[in-house]
Amino acid sequence: AQSVSQHNHHVILSEAASLELGCNYSYGGTVNLFWYVQYPGQHLQLLLKYFSGDPLVKGIKGFEAEFIKSKFSFNLRKPSVQWSDTAEYFCAVKIYNQGGKLIFGQGTELSVKP
Amino acid sequence: DTAVSQTPKYLVTQMGNDKSIKCEQNLGHDTMYWYKQDSKKFLKIMFSYNNKELIINETVPNRFSPKSPDKAHLNLHINSLELGDSAVYFCASSPGGAGTYEQYFGPGTRLTVT
Repeated sequence: AQSVSQHNHHVILSEAASLELGCNYSYGGTVNLFWYVQYPGQHLQLLLKYFSGDPLVKGIKGFEAEFIKSKFSFNLRKPSVQWSDTAEYFCAVKIYNQGGKLIFGQGTELSVKP
Repeated sequence: DTAVSQTPKYLVTQMGNDKSIKCEQNLGHDTMYWYKQDSKKFLKIMFSYNNKELIINETVPNRFSPKSPDKAHLNLHINSLELGDSAVYFCASSPGGAGTYEQYFGPGTRLTVT
């Protein structure tokens, strides 16, 4: 069965530290890839997405992610985090021709200390 | 100007009751989804409708019945509520299903079954 794995359950960083959150998926065919963020008590918001083309994609709020097809990975990065980045981060995969459903990773809670 | 809205935001009810959650999108999208987020924040697809037609039904108990009166609305009716139904339910929409589209999420409905 297809699955998405996020390596870290809870990450704690100080402000200005660099961030990398890992995401791997298990499917050998065509995929679309997403990172969503959920701030405390709020709904999911799209950070960035990859459909095709340049494997390095830039999103909102200074986030970027790199798709490495050979590693089935789509890691999220930010060079310098802020306290306001404290949130839950979800990696998601949409598999071609499966009706558009998103398969989510288990989420990574990011806590940024001021 | 809310793109995807859900009512109610909070729902507290007793075991055995029947309840409904409503979702509306004003984005003109053709496809709508229901996701369940459990207590560990894991998100899983439940249903998807494309233009009022059910296209995804992910092994959800048949106590859950989605209804789409038109493509802007997707409601979720739950019969005989159980403790394990307690979760946050998110509605989402996208322009289509299988194509390169992102999904837009509603604010969620926190269901608590006592």
